Amino acid sequence: AQTVTQSQPEMSVQEAETVTLSCTYDTSESDYYLFWYKQPPSRQMILVIRQEAYKQQNATENRFSVNFQKAAKSFSLKISDSQLGDAAMYFCAYRRGAGANNLFFGTGTRLTVIP
Amino acid sequence: DAGVTQSPTHLIKTRGQHVTLRCSPISGHKSVSWYQQVLGQGPQFIFQYYEKEERGRGNFPDRFSARQFPNYSSELNVNALLLGDSALYLCASSWDLRYEQYFGPGTRLTVT
Repeated sequence: AQTVTQSQPEMSVQEAETVTLSCTYDTSESDYYLFWYKQPPSRQMILVIRQEAYKQQNATENRFSVNFQKAAKSFSLKISDSQLGDAAMYFCAYRRGAGANNLFFGTGTRLTVIP
Repeated sequence: DAGVTQSPTHLIKTRGQHVTLRCSPISGHKSVSWYQQVLGQGPQFIFQYYEKEERGRGNFPDRFSARQFPNYSSELNVNALLLGDSALYLCASSWDLRYEQYFGPGTRLTVT
């Protein structure tokens, strides 16, 4: 069974600084995708970044980047130049590469941005 | 383009009652998935439908059921509500089973 673990229930960062959120996962499959979702108080789940397991290059989306360590089954999210609007719950998620695309989520990390 | 829509936004039910939650996918999307998010937890997969057929089911009791209509909208039904069913219920849609899921704003269900 696939499991996703986020060991940091809460994190805080000063505005304009950099923060890294951790995620580990467990799977026996070789083809899969990993995601980071952001959930602000409005509850809308917003996709931040995705990573295909077969790609060695780490994904980047503007101020958001990942450190994907496939052998270690680690998938961390780095937020650079943190902004007040980045404050939210962040969820790491996994899905299989083929067949159903339902997601398996971690328990989330609450990020606070300090002005 | 309209995103995934869900109704109602929130509702309050009493133990033992049943509830129906509704979801309209993004236009053109043929797959709908349902997730339950208990306060303080990540979403848990309940059901996935594609082309009106059930394609996946999470570890939820038979009190939970769903269906997808010819226009690809979907309903989630929960019978004999328990206090533990109180949660945010999220609907997500995708083109098919290969592509990204896009989430709706959720329905907040409170069972008293």
